[in-house]
Amino acid sequence: DQQVKQNSPSLSVQEGRISILNCDYTNSMFDYFLWYKKYPAEGPTFLISISSIKDKNEDGRFTVFLNKSAKHLSLHIVPSQPGDSAVYFCAASGGGSNYKLTFGKGTLLTVNP
Amino acid sequence: GAGVSQTPSNKVTEKGKYVELRCDPISGHTALYWYRQSLGQGPEFLIYFQGTGAADDSGLPNDRFFAVRPEGSVSTLKIQRTERGDSAVYLCASSPAGVAGGNEQFFGPGTRLTVL
Repeated sequence: DQQVKQNSPSLSVQEGRISILNCDYTNSMFDYFLWYKKYPAEGPTFLISISSIKDKNEDGRFTVFLNKSAKHLSLHIVPSQPGDSAVYFCAASGGGSNYKLTFGKGTLLTVNP
Repeated sequence: GAGVSQTPSNKVTEKGKYVELRCDPISGHTALYWYRQSLGQGPEFLIYFQGTGAADDSGLPNDRFFAVRPEGSVSTLKIQRTERGDSAVYLCASSPAGVAGGNEQFFGPGTRLTVL
């Protein structure tokens, strides 16, 4: 069973507009959430994270929102740029001393000029 | 500074053969992880090392898979009697110990394993 779900395999937006990528999780023990960005033939690159004690974290053009009651998080990219085109993975960690990550299947974001 | 490196970048082998995949973590990182990414999927956890010891190997699919990290730095993932279903990209990641509040893992570029 998938504990982290990204139900949109792809998303296409215009340059300058907002990109919203969604993620749902089922395991209530998860207490830390991360977004990774991946270009072809490269490893995932850390983008932004949020602890379960917060509901929002912002870093430049990237903001992550967490709704614990709904077990839902989203990544907002404003404004979107063509260089943001990549696969975005949502990941979750159970905390404690073992930080293994559970990933979703990813969403391919295409930002059109 | 150097990131996580993995060798080889590509490995093609025949069914039944033995393969070794190598990971060089970021210097000073005590935590090391192996993940496997199949086509159309996200990375899936295989094994986690804290120093030299495997703290969690619950993700290894069966006893054909084994990993070592004898000196607490470089790690080798070993796969015996490879099967076609083992074909995937094998990712290694490392992180510093005692990261407060969470775990930002730094990933290598991966090794693409193809079993014919």
